[in-house]
Amino acid sequence: EDQVTQSPEALRLQEGESSSLNCSYTVSGLRGLFWYRQDPGKGPEFLFTLYSAGEEKEKERLKATLTKKESFLHITAPKPEDSATYLCAVQAPQAGTALIFGKGTTLSVSS
Amino acid sequence: DAGVTQSPTHLIKTRGQQVTLRCSPKSGHDTVSWYQQALGQGPQFIFQYYEEEERQRGNFPDRFSGHQFPNYSSELNVNALLLGDSALYLCASSFPRLTSTDTQYFGPGTRLTVL
Repeated sequence: EDQVTQSPEALRLQEGESSSLNCSYTVSGLRGLFWYRQDPGKGPEFLFTLYSAGEEKEKERLKATLTKKESFLHITAPKPEDSATYLCAVQAPQAGTALIFGKGTTLSVSS
Repeated sequence: DAGVTQSPTHLIKTRGQQVTLRCSPKSGHDTVSWYQQALGQGPQFIFQYYEEEERQRGNFPDRFSGHQFPNYSSELNVNALLLGDSALYLCASSFPRLTSTDTQYFGPGTRLTVL
């Protein structure tokens, strides 16, 4: 069964303290891995799509990387406005175009 | 460029009632997917509509049904509401291509509370 596991469940950082969020997946024939940011009570906001191992994408303080078994979302020098839940999702042939989500990592950045 | 819109924002219903949620996709998108997100969980796929037909369905009972209109907008209907149907319902739109992965863009969601 296709699965997505995110860790840690929650992460507290001081402003400027860099860290990484992990997304591990068990999927046969990964078609794409997606990162979203979700603020409380809002819909997920698209961040990145990664297609193949070794691929990297960056946006402001965020950098996403992909290996054959996991993806990392690196946050460099975070600010309080980066506080949110970060969701990882995959697409696999068996699931068609449906996104399979992990439970997310809730990031809190204090000043 | 308008993004995905959903209505209503919030909804309160009682057990056994029926509810209809609405979604307008992002401009240029022709595919709409619906997800249910319980508190503290990741979104769960309900179904996807393309060319006015249900193209794919997740593990949800027949009480959940949908429709897509010629202008690509979509409705999600839930009959015989249960307490467990309380959740944030998300609509996502995309423009999938047969040979590549498509990115889905989400709306703000409809918060459904069943009492």
